[in-house]
Formats: sequence, structure tokens, C-alpha cells
Amino acid sequence: KNEVEQSPQNLTAQEGEFITINCSYSVGISALHWLQQHPGGGIVSLFMLSSGKKKHGRLIATINIQEKHSSLHITASHPRDSAVYICAVSRGAQKLVFGQGTRLTINP
Amino acid sequence: EAQVTQNPRYLITVTGKKLTVTCSQNMNHEYMSWYRQDPGLGLRQIYYSMNVEVTDKGDVPEGYKVSRKEKRNFPLILESPSPNQTSLYFCASSLEQGKGQYFGPGTRLTVT
Repeated sequence: KNEVEQSPQNLTAQEGEFITINCSYSVGISALHWLQQHPGGGIVSLFMLSSGKKKHGRLIATINIQEKHSSLHITASHPRDSAVYICAVSRGAQKLVFGQGTRLTINP
Repeated sequence: EAQVTQNPRYLITVTGKKLTVTCSQNMNHEYMSWYRQDPGLGLRQIYYSMNVEVTDKGDVPEGYKVSRKEKRNFPLILESPSPNQTSLYFCASSLEQGKGQYFGPGTRLTVT
């Protein structure tokens, strides 16, 4: 079993829908990261959280430390949100362990 | 412009021919890392560095070397590349421990 599990692996939705991507982890962590990988391959760091909730534009990330679970939400989804979303956990210092990623496709 | 640069972006080489992938950041970041990304396996950490002359192994360090002689540069060295090192490689940096990382554009390496 992977230390970091994401669901779903693939998600297709219509423009405007509310999107939720989930991440569960099995080890103690110092922080959780959400990354976005564009179709061209570039990776952008979206959020880093150790507790609670963060919001940036239409993106919201939450984490429940007790349940070892995080969610990434996208409100009013748009085709430009189509990408692979990757959850990663920090296990001290700069050691990162990644989930497999969720491929999101938003159709117009 | 704040950025992480990698060179080369694409490389095809042969088994056993030593190569270096360079990584440079212009943000005065202390932390730098190397990752490889493979289909079905996702991203995996190769090495990371918390400061000049301080490096440590990630999850898949075998077959790789790194050095951190200057804060801005963190080259990845493959002394004797093998076909199983064919992959997409990313370098990343961050200001402090636990902060969000800035990723380079990636280097696609093919070893034949």
C-alpha cells in the first residue's frame, strides 16, 4: 500500500462543476502539499498545509490531521483547470513522498 | 524573474556515458531537490539538499550523485547511466523547510 493515496485517479467533469480530489496518507507528516502539473509537464506548487484550510482564488485545500486526510476543491471549474493534481507529504526536512496524481479533465 | 532552470531540457545518450543535468535557482533558496517521474510510479525524490555542502538521499538515490558547492546550483550526476534511468527529471527549490517548492521545467532523459 502506498504511503499516499489519491482518489479518484481520473475525473472528468463539465465546466462549472464543483470538483473534489482526495488524498489520504498513512504516516506522520510535517506538512502536506498540493501540486498541479500542466499538460505540458510543468509543475506548480498550489498549497502547503499543516492544519486547517487554505484558499487561493477558486481553489481550496483542507487537511484533517487526525484522519490523515486532505481534500482539494475547485469551485466553478474551467477547462483551464484540466491538469494532473498531485498530493505530496513531507516527512521531516525536505523529504517528500508523492501520490500517484489525479488527472482532471474539464469539458466546456 | 524568479525561476529554477534546468539544462539540458532533452537528452538522449547511451549506456555508460557520464552525464550531468544542471539545476540553478535565482531566489537564494536554501533547499533544493531532485525528483524523477515515471509512468505508473509518479514522482519520487532522488536527493535533496538543505544548504551548501549538505545533501541527503531521497527514496531512489541509487545510480545518482549530487553536489551543492554553491547555494544556487544543484547538479545531478549520472556516472554510468543505464536504461532504467530513462525518465523525466525535475529540480525544485524552496526558501525554507516545509515551504512550497518552485519546480524547474523538467529534463527528459533517454538512455539507450
